[in-house]
Amino acid sequence: DVVMTQSPLSLPVTLGQPASISCRSSQGLVYSTGDTFLNWFLQRPGQSPRRLIYQVSKRDSGVPERFSGSGSGTEFTLKISRVEAEDVGIYYCMQGTHWPWTFGQGTKVEIK
Amino acid sequence: QVQLVESGGGLVTPGGSLRLSCVASGFTFGDNYMSWIRQAPGRGLECLSYISGNSDDTNYADSVKGRFTISRDNSRNSLYLQMNSLRAEDTAVYYCARYTRIPDLRGQGTLVTVSS
Repeated sequence: DVVMTQSPLSLPVTLGQPASISCRSSQGLVYSTGDTFLNWFLQRPGQSPRRLIYQVSKRDSGVPERFSGSGSGTEFTLKISRVEAEDVGIYYCMQGTHWPWTFGQGTKVEIK
Repeated sequence: QVQLVESGGGLVTPGGSLRLSCVASGFTFGDNYMSWIRQAPGRGLECLSYISGNSDDTNYADSVKGRFTISRDNSRNSLYLQMNSLRAEDTAVYYCARYTRIPDLRGQGTLVTVSS
């Protein structure tokens, strides 16, 4: 199975400051179609996970522009330009290129 | 607005069975792949299975292969997961999702507890 490794696992952030989460895959994530199925999810406390970004950099409807995704090959990054209180929770990366799709361990973002 | 409502969870003894359901609305159900994903207590997320719109393409994680069966009824906008031979390690919240490679989770999930 493809192993997804996130870092850091815990990320204390100051409101209004930027934050960045890294996700590394054990295999390249480019599918035969040329698409890269690397997605990001946020699970707020007590809630279900919700997709934020799909295919590396496509923001879901309603996701603020302060969230951006980038990367290629085996290295991917989620950035929050200015952290707000509603951004706290656990962020997961997930690959949908090689079955079984797999998730990273999660990165817990909290406010300092 | 896309909505997914999971149901059918509960307490079951090891070796028992459960059938989960997911009712979809807000999109053309039969045109989309659908998936089941679970999250064990205090643990991460695991993709279990997916099914194509016309049911001709299915796949399962090794952890559930031979025990779980995914199916759908497009006339009822419904997705199912038949779970047999349940084990303690199957205890989790189960979510359905629209799509498979880019799963879109919209529901609250349904809790399955396997315990004697």
